[in-house]
Amino acid sequence: DAKTTQPTSMDCAEGRAANLPCNHSTISGNEYVYWYRQIHSQGPQYIIHGLKNNETNEMASLIITEDRKSSTLILPHATLRDTAVYYCIVRVGNNFNKFYFGSGTKLNVKP
Amino acid sequence: EPEVTQTPSHQVTQMGQEVILRCVPISNHLYFYWYRQILGQKVEFLVSFYNNEISEKSEIFDDQFSVERPDGSNFTLKIRSTKLEDSAMYFCASRDTEAFFGQGTRLTVV
Repeated sequence: DAKTTQPTSMDCAEGRAANLPCNHSTISGNEYVYWYRQIHSQGPQYIIHGLKNNETNEMASLIITEDRKSSTLILPHATLRDTAVYYCIVRVGNNFNKFYFGSGTKLNVKP
Repeated sequence: EPEVTQTPSHQVTQMGQEVILRCVPISNHLYFYWYRQILGQKVEFLVSFYNNEISEKSEIFDDQFSVERPDGSNFTLKIRSTKLEDSAMYFCASRDTEAFFGQGTRLTVV
């Protein structure tokens, strides 16, 4: 699976959009970008995933650059409950084996 | 919404004892996983399980550990001869196209 690079931490004001970047410059054509988050010590929570098109669901939007070497997770209206560690994970879509969780980005949503 | 359920939420055990951590995966999922997270550290992969056998395991998953799907609903992680360094959160996950994680069992070895 391709390596990803994320900032260690970010701050966001409550009610504003949180934009979390991820670099995956070695991604290959059959690898998907997944985002998970972990709130405190709870189990990781699935957010969204995509291959090359932008994706949106009830939680977030995923913007993938045309060359697929980077992506951005957007939380459109961050709340205090969105404070968490966010993990960007790249993996082959039909590889149902392990996820590798790196250090992620600690998002601090402030009032 | 379907969810992965783990029991117990917290287990305290004496060093050298055996523990069994239990998980009920989402019912139509076929792939099951155990991960662990030592306090303040990354989430680490332990083992994946498919079609009633281990499909991949990490170097952490040595002979001290075993997994089993004893019936159609439960998925268990057994840790024999527990050590202090086994203290961690243990997460079970199951997946279809994306993986869903349980809320974890906090294992404390004293």
